[in-house]
Amino acid sequence: EADIYQTPRYLVIGTGKKITLECSQTMGHDKMYWYQQDPGMELHLIHYSYGVNSTEKGDLSSESTVSRIRTEHFPLTLESARPSHTSQYLCASSEYRGNAEAFFGQGTRLTVV
Amino acid sequence: KQEVTQIPAALSVPEGENLVLNCSFTDSAIYNLQWFRQDPGKGLTSLLLIQSSQREQTSGRLNASLDKSSGRSTLYIAASQPGDSATYLCAVSYFNKFYFGSGTKLNVKP
Repeated sequence: EADIYQTPRYLVIGTGKKITLECSQTMGHDKMYWYQQDPGMELHLIHYSYGVNSTEKGDLSSESTVSRIRTEHFPLTLESARPSHTSQYLCASSEYRGNAEAFFGQGTRLTVV
Repeated sequence: KQEVTQIPAALSVPEGENLVLNCSFTDSAIYNLQWFRQDPGKGLTSLLLIQSSQREQTSGRLNASLDKSSGRSTLYIAASQPGDSATYLCAVSYFNKFYFGSGTKLNVKP
C-alpha cells in the first residue's frame, strides 16, 4: 500500500487567500510530483523534484510554487488564490531510477470562490 | 515529446463481459508503463506495472500487455463486475517524467 498523504482532501477558500497544499511520503522516495486535473480531464504535470533542494516546473504553466526542504515533504503554495485555480491537485512520488513505479496520494480538491 | 492516447474514451458493458482497453504512445524509448484506476474525485491506484523489457503482467482478473516497438499496451479485464466501474489511465515513464493518457471511463452495468 502506498504511503503518500495529501492534506486537506477538500478545501473551499475565498479569492486572494494564500493556501498551501501538503504532500508527504514515508517511502524515502527522491522524486516527487504535482499534477493538476480538472474534472474528467487528463493529468497535467505542474511541478516535480528530484530530491532535497531540487524543484522544476512541469509541462503546464502554473502560478503555484513548491519547495523541497525535506525528502518526505513537497508542499505546493498559491500566494493568491483565484477561481481559475479551482481543480484537483494530485501528488505522486517514485524512486530515483527511471523504471520506478509511481505512487499517488488521494488528491486535494480545491475550490476558490 | 511523448504523447499518450487511450481508446475508447468511454465504454459501457454488461456485467460479466471480457473487455480490452487500449493505450498507445508515440516514442518507444520508455522505461515502463503503468495502468492506474481512478474513482471519481479520488487519487490514482496502481494496477499493473510493466517494465520496458517485459511483455505482460497479470494481477487477478487483469492482464496488461506491452509491445514497446509498436508503442502499444492493452489492459484486459476478465469477467467484468460493477465494482470495476472507474476511469482507467495508462502512463509511461519517459525521461524522468510520467506521461498520462486521458483515460477510458468504464461503466459496468449490473
